[in-house]
Amino acid sequence: AQSVTQPDIHITVSEGASLELRCNYSYGATPYLFWYVQSPGQGLQLLLKYFSGDTLVQGIKGFEAEFKRSQSSFNLRKPSVHWSDAAEYFCALFGATNKLIFGTGTLLAVQP
Amino acid sequence: DAGITQSPRHKVTETGTPVTLRCHQTENHRYMYWYRQDPGHGLRLIHYSYGVKDTDKGEVSDGYSVSRSKTEDFLLTLESATSSQTSVYFCAINDFGDQETQYFGPGTRLLVL
Repeated sequence: AQSVTQPDIHITVSEGASLELRCNYSYGATPYLFWYVQSPGQGLQLLLKYFSGDTLVQGIKGFEAEFKRSQSSFNLRKPSVHWSDAAEYFCALFGATNKLIFGTGTLLAVQP
Repeated sequence: DAGITQSPRHKVTETGTPVTLRCHQTENHRYMYWYRQDPGHGLRLIHYSYGVKDTDKGEVSDGYSVSRSKTEDFLLTLESATSSQTSVYFCAINDFGDQETQYFGPGTRLLVL
């Protein structure tokens, strides 16, 4: 079975602090993995994607993610969070069914 | 900007009425998708299309139908709306030459009373 798990429903960080959002997947082979961000009332914006090759992927807005096959994880990181990063973040995989499967999302709050 | 628009952006309707949502794209993308977003569920695929008149079901297709009579438009119809179909609906298209990467429209917020 293919699935994506985002263990943290809600995370609060202080502005300027580092951020790591967790994503675990279940899939028999190497999946295609994505992170999307959704600001309130908006659609989803693609932050970054991993298909193959270098396991550290750089994205937009200063985000990066690291693919770890041994841990079935694809965690999203940012070294210094800005207030404008407050949003909901979704991890997704594209697997054997030729469809995107989404996690349930992590809502990020940023404290001043 | 993937050139996707959705209409209407907001709609309130009553149980039992038919509702049609429209997704329009301007760049000739082959694949188009309809998702619904609900708290605690993330996004779930309703239907998708891989060409004009070519559609297939997704994970949560019951109560929904779709049509694609031309490349640029993908319509989602709730045949008889129910309160459980209150949701935010997103259309998406795939990237050129890259079926796996999808770009999303702004969404339609639907309330069924």
